[in-house]
Amino acid sequence: DIQLTQSPSFLSASLGDRVTITCRASQGISSYLAWYQQKLGKAPKLLIDAASTLQSGVPSRFSGSGSGTEFTLTISSLQPEDFATYYCQQFNSYPRTFGQGTKVEIK
Amino acid sequence: QVQLQESGPGLVKPSETLSLTCTVSGGSISNYYWSWVRQPPGKGLEWIGYIHDSDTHYNPSLKSRVTISTDTSKNQFSLKMRSVTAADTALYYCAIEATRGWFDPWGQGTLVIVSS
Repeated sequence: DIQLTQSPSFLSASLGDRVTITCRASQGISSYLAWYQQKLGKAPKLLIDAASTLQSGVPSRFSGSGSGTEFTLTISSLQPEDFATYYCQQFNSYPRTFGQGTKVEIK
Repeated sequence: QVQLQESGPGLVKPSETLSLTCTVSGGSISNYYWSWVRQPPGKGLEWIGYIHDSDTHYNPSLKSRVTISTDTSKNQFSLKMRSVTAADTALYYCAIEATRGWFDPWGQGTLVIVSS
Protein backbone atom coordinates (compact mmCIF):
# COMPACT_ATOMS: atom_id res chain seq x y z
CA ASP A 1 0.00 0.00 0.00
CA ILE A 2 1.12 3.57 -0.67
CA GLN A 3 1.39 5.54 2.55
CA LEU A 4 0.68 9.25 2.59
CA THR A 5 2.14 11.36 5.37
CA GLN A 6 0.80 14.86 5.89
CA SER A 7 2.59 17.60 7.76
CA PRO A 8 1.82 19.25 9.96
CA SER A 9 -0.99 17.26 11.60
CA PHE A 10 -2.20 20.41 13.29
CA LEU A 11 -1.83 24.01 12.24
CA SER A 12 -2.87 27.15 14.05
CA ALA A 13 -3.15 30.22 11.82
CA SER A 14 -4.70 33.67 11.65
CA LEU A 15 -7.10 35.12 9.13
CA GLY A 16 -5.21 36.28 6.09
CA ASP A 17 -2.24 33.97 6.68
CA ARG A 18 -0.68 31.94 3.89
CA VAL A 19 -0.94 28.27 4.81
CA THR A 20 0.93 25.34 3.29
CA ILE A 21 0.21 21.67 3.93
CA THR A 22 2.56 18.97 2.69
CA CYS A 23 1.70 15.42 1.64
CA ARG A 24 4.51 12.92 1.09
CA ALA A 25 3.98 9.58 -0.61
CA SER A 26 5.93 6.45 0.27
CA GLN A 27 6.59 5.90 -3.44
CA GLY A 28 6.21 7.92 -6.60
CA ILE A 29 2.62 8.55 -7.66
CA SER A 30 3.17 10.94 -10.57
CA SER A 31 0.38 13.54 -10.23
CA TYR A 32 -2.24 11.10 -9.04
CA LEU A 33 -3.17 13.03 -5.91
CA ALA A 34 -6.34 14.73 -4.72
CA TRP A 35 -7.02 17.12 -1.85
CA TYR A 36 -10.20 17.27 0.24
CA GLN A 37 -11.59 19.65 2.84
CA GLN A 38 -13.69 18.24 5.65
CA LYS A 39 -15.65 20.41 8.05
CA LEU A 40 -16.97 19.09 11.35
CA GLY A 41 -19.88 16.71 10.83
CA LYS A 42 -19.68 16.91 7.04
CA ALA A 43 -18.46 14.67 4.27
CA PRO A 44 -15.12 15.45 2.63
CA LYS A 45 -15.32 17.91 -0.24
CA LEU A 46 -13.04 17.53 -3.25
CA LEU A 47 -10.90 20.63 -3.72
CA ILE A 48 -8.16 19.61 -6.13
CA ASP A 49 -7.56 16.63 -8.40
CA ALA A 50 -4.49 15.53 -10.35
CA ALA A 51 -2.31 17.41 -7.85
CA SER A 52 -3.13 20.89 -9.17
CA THR A 53 -6.52 21.02 -10.92
CA LEU A 54 -8.91 23.18 -8.93
CA GLN A 55 -12.47 21.93 -8.85
CA SER A 56 -15.21 24.16 -10.20
CA GLY A 57 -16.48 26.50 -7.51
CA VAL A 58 -13.42 26.20 -5.26
CA PRO A 59 -11.94 29.63 -4.47
CA SER A 60 -8.76 30.53 -6.27
CA ARG A 61 -6.93 31.08 -2.96
CA PHE A 62 -6.56 27.29 -2.91
CA SER A 63 -3.81 25.80 -5.05
CA GLY A 64 -1.99 22.51 -5.31
CA SER A 65 1.40 21.55 -6.63
CA GLY A 66 3.88 18.72 -6.74
CA SER A 67 4.51 15.40 -8.39
CA GLY A 68 6.27 12.16 -7.61
CA THR A 69 6.43 11.90 -3.84
CA GLU A 70 5.96 15.45 -2.53
CA PHE A 71 2.85 17.59 -2.84
CA THR A 72 1.57 20.79 -1.31
CA LEU A 73 -1.79 22.39 -0.74
CA THR A 74 -1.59 26.16 -0.29
CA ILE A 75 -4.22 28.57 0.93
CA SER A 76 -2.98 32.02 -0.05
CA SER A 77 -5.06 34.03 2.42
CA LEU A 78 -6.90 32.09 5.10
CA GLN A 79 -10.59 32.88 5.40
CA PRO A 80 -13.01 31.99 8.23
CA GLU A 81 -14.65 29.27 6.16
CA ASP A 82 -11.29 27.55 5.58
CA PHE A 83 -10.94 26.28 9.13
CA ALA A 84 -11.32 22.56 8.62
CA THR A 85 -9.35 19.33 8.26
CA TYR A 86 -7.61 18.67 4.97
CA TYR A 87 -6.77 15.26 3.53
CA CYS A 88 -4.70 14.13 0.58
CA GLN A 89 -5.56 10.94 -1.33
CA GLN A 90 -3.58 8.99 -3.90
CA PHE A 91 -5.14 7.34 -6.92
CA ASN A 92 -1.98 5.89 -8.43
CA SER A 93 -2.89 2.40 -7.28
CA TYR A 94 -5.22 0.30 -5.17
CA PRO A 95 -5.95 0.30 -2.36
CA ARG A 96 -6.73 4.00 -2.49
CA THR A 97 -5.18 5.63 0.57
CA PHE A 98 -5.51 8.93 2.39
CA GLY A 99 -3.18 11.01 4.48
CA GLN A 100 -3.90 11.22 8.19
CA GLY A 101 -5.25 14.75 7.88
CA THR A 102 -4.18 18.28 8.79
CA LYS A 103 -6.45 20.22 11.08
CA VAL A 104 -6.37 23.98 10.51
CA GLU A 105 -7.55 25.99 13.49
CA ILE A 106 -7.83 29.65 14.38
CA LYS A 107 -4.91 31.17 16.25
CA GLN B 1 -25.98 16.20 -10.38
CA VAL B 2 -25.77 12.77 -8.77
CA GLN B 3 -26.65 12.66 -5.09
CA LEU B 4 -25.98 9.85 -2.63
CA GLN B 5 -27.70 8.94 0.63
CA GLU B 6 -26.59 6.23 3.05
CA SER B 7 -29.00 4.29 5.22
CA GLY B 8 -28.87 1.39 7.62
CA PRO B 9 -28.80 0.41 11.29
CA GLY B 10 -26.79 2.69 13.53
CA LEU B 11 -26.01 -0.05 16.03
CA VAL B 12 -24.63 -3.51 15.28
CA LYS B 13 -23.61 -6.18 17.78
CA PRO B 14 -20.07 -7.58 17.75
CA SER B 15 -19.62 -10.62 15.48
CA GLU B 16 -22.73 -9.71 13.48
CA THR B 17 -22.99 -8.30 9.94
CA LEU B 18 -23.10 -4.60 9.18
CA SER B 19 -25.41 -3.81 6.26
CA LEU B 20 -25.65 -0.38 4.65
CA THR B 21 -27.36 0.90 1.52
CA CYS B 22 -26.57 3.90 -0.63
CA THR B 23 -29.43 5.30 -2.68
CA VAL B 24 -28.45 7.09 -5.86
CA SER B 25 -30.50 9.93 -7.30
CA GLY B 26 -29.86 11.98 -10.41
CA GLY B 27 -27.90 9.26 -12.15
CA SER B 28 -27.94 5.62 -13.15
CA ILE B 29 -26.43 2.91 -10.98
CA SER B 30 -25.25 1.35 -14.22
CA ASN B 31 -22.52 3.97 -14.60
CA TYR B 32 -19.64 5.02 -12.38
CA TYR B 33 -17.51 3.32 -9.74
CA TRP B 34 -19.59 3.09 -6.58
CA SER B 35 -17.44 3.20 -3.49
CA TRP B 36 -17.49 2.98 0.27
CA VAL B 37 -15.13 4.89 2.56
CA ARG B 38 -15.19 4.90 6.34
CA GLN B 39 -13.91 7.17 9.08
CA PRO B 40 -13.59 6.06 12.72
CA PRO B 41 -14.61 8.83 15.14
CA GLY B 42 -11.91 11.47 15.30
CA LYS B 43 -9.70 9.61 12.83
CA GLY B 44 -8.81 9.55 9.15
CA LEU B 45 -10.38 8.07 6.04
CA GLU B 46 -10.13 4.44 4.92
CA TRP B 47 -11.17 3.20 1.48
CA ILE B 48 -13.27 0.02 1.72
CA GLY B 49 -13.91 -0.85 -1.92
CA TYR B 50 -15.93 -0.25 -5.08
CA ILE B 51 -18.27 -1.92 -7.50
CA HIS B 52 -18.42 -1.07 -11.21
CA ASP B 53 -20.89 -3.05 -13.26
CA SER B 54 -20.26 -6.49 -11.80
CA ASP B 55 -16.58 -5.88 -11.05
CA THR B 56 -15.58 -5.37 -7.42
CA HIS B 57 -12.33 -4.32 -5.79
CA TYR B 58 -11.75 -4.31 -2.05
CA ASN B 59 -9.16 -3.06 0.38
CA PRO B 60 -7.01 -6.12 1.16
CA SER B 61 -7.25 -5.27 4.85
CA LEU B 62 -11.03 -5.82 4.74
CA LYS B 63 -11.46 -8.09 1.73
CA SER B 64 -12.23 -11.25 3.69
CA ARG B 65 -15.20 -9.61 5.43
CA VAL B 66 -16.66 -7.24 2.85
CA THR B 67 -19.12 -7.53 -0.03
CA ILE B 68 -20.35 -4.65 -2.18
CA SER B 69 -23.30 -5.22 -4.48
CA THR B 70 -25.81 -3.26 -6.56
CA ASP B 71 -29.58 -3.36 -6.92
CA THR B 72 -30.25 -1.73 -10.27
CA SER B 73 -34.03 -1.94 -9.86
CA LYS B 74 -33.78 0.36 -6.83
CA ASN B 75 -30.78 2.39 -8.03
CA GLN B 76 -28.92 1.40 -4.89
CA PHE B 77 -25.65 -0.19 -3.92
CA SER B 78 -24.87 -1.89 -0.66
CA LEU B 79 -22.10 -2.77 1.76
CA LYS B 80 -22.03 -5.87 3.92
CA MET B 81 -19.27 -6.33 6.48
CA ARG B 82 -19.21 -9.57 8.41
CA SER B 83 -17.88 -10.41 11.87
CA VAL B 84 -17.69 -6.79 13.02
CA THR B 85 -15.83 -5.65 16.10
CA ALA B 86 -15.60 -2.35 17.95
CA ALA B 87 -12.82 -1.39 15.53
CA ASP B 88 -15.45 -1.18 12.79
CA THR B 89 -17.26 1.64 14.58
CA ALA B 90 -17.12 4.51 12.10
CA LEU B 91 -18.89 6.99 9.89
CA TYR B 92 -19.53 5.14 6.64
CA TYR B 93 -19.67 7.15 3.44
CA CYS B 94 -20.73 6.12 -0.01
CA ALA B 95 -19.10 8.01 -2.84
CA ILE B 96 -18.45 7.94 -6.56
CA GLU B 97 -14.90 7.20 -7.57
CA ALA B 98 -14.21 9.14 -10.74
CA THR B 99 -12.67 7.29 -13.67
CA ARG B 100 -9.35 8.88 -12.81
CA GLY B 101 -9.58 7.90 -9.13
CA TRP B 102 -10.73 10.70 -6.86
CA PHE B 103 -13.98 10.66 -4.89
CA ASP B 104 -16.79 13.04 -5.75
CA PRO B 105 -19.55 13.37 -4.75
CA TRP B 106 -19.99 11.84 -1.31
CA GLY B 107 -23.05 10.96 0.71
CA GLN B 108 -23.53 12.69 4.05
CA GLY B 109 -22.34 9.60 5.93
CA THR B 110 -23.98 7.32 8.44
CA LEU B 111 -22.58 6.44 11.85
CA VAL B 112 -22.39 2.77 12.73
CA ILE B 113 -21.54 1.81 16.31
CA VAL B 114 -20.51 -1.74 17.09
CA SER B 115 -21.52 -2.55 20.62
CA SER B 116 -23.41 -5.16 22.57
